[in-house]
Amino acid sequence: QKEVEQDPGPLSVPEGAIVSLNCTYSNSAFQYFMWYRQYSRKGPELLMYTYSSGNKEDGRFTAQVDKSSKYISLFIRDSQPSDSATYLCAMNRGQGAQKLVFGQGTRLTINP
Amino acid sequence: GAVVSQHPSWVICKSGTSVKIECRSLDFQATTMFWYRQFPKQSLMLMATSNEGSKATYEQGVEKDKFLINHASLTLSTLTVTSAHPEDSSFYICSAATHTYEQYFGPGTRLTVT
Repeated sequence: QKEVEQDPGPLSVPEGAIVSLNCTYSNSAFQYFMWYRQYSRKGPELLMYTYSSGNKEDGRFTAQVDKSSKYISLFIRDSQPSDSATYLCAMNRGQGAQKLVFGQGTRLTINP
Repeated sequence: GAVVSQHPSWVICKSGTSVKIECRSLDFQATTMFWYRQFPKQSLMLMATSNEGSKATYEQGVEKDKFLINHASLTLSTLTVTSAHPEDSSFYICSAATHTYEQYFGPGTRLTVT
């Protein structure tokens, strides 16, 4: 079993829809949770960075962490075609610059 | 957010030669940098963790003599692929950790070995 599970998709939704992306994990030691967006042939771009359980909002993006369920989510409101990319969840134990454990990535397409 | 650059963005080399890739944190000091490779439609695979002034820590299965990593300063880490072979062709990406441990990625380097 992988430490972090993420549905690879592909996921296709119409423009303006609310998108929900999710990851589950098995290691209860994970404390820091990140969402990255990666366009084709580019490096990942950090979207959200959260610590422990709770919600964090930044513009159209909301990240949720439920440590009791070992489940994290990223919501995208008013989705745009420019949001079409691969979204990667990542996490680590914190307490220093530790290596990230990534999900497989979900390929998302927003249709105009 | 913090900015990380990589150079070159793409490189083609002949089999048997060596290639050096640079990773720089442009607006922050990074005690720790990471090197990844990524195959098409796959997630990132961590190769090694690089700490300034000390030897890199390689992941299991990564040949340390083939992938030489040097982290000479708080803003620069280099990856040298030695005696490159076609199977080393891949997308190589570095990341750098800020003082608050967020990790920012470079744009990646596409290596093609002919």
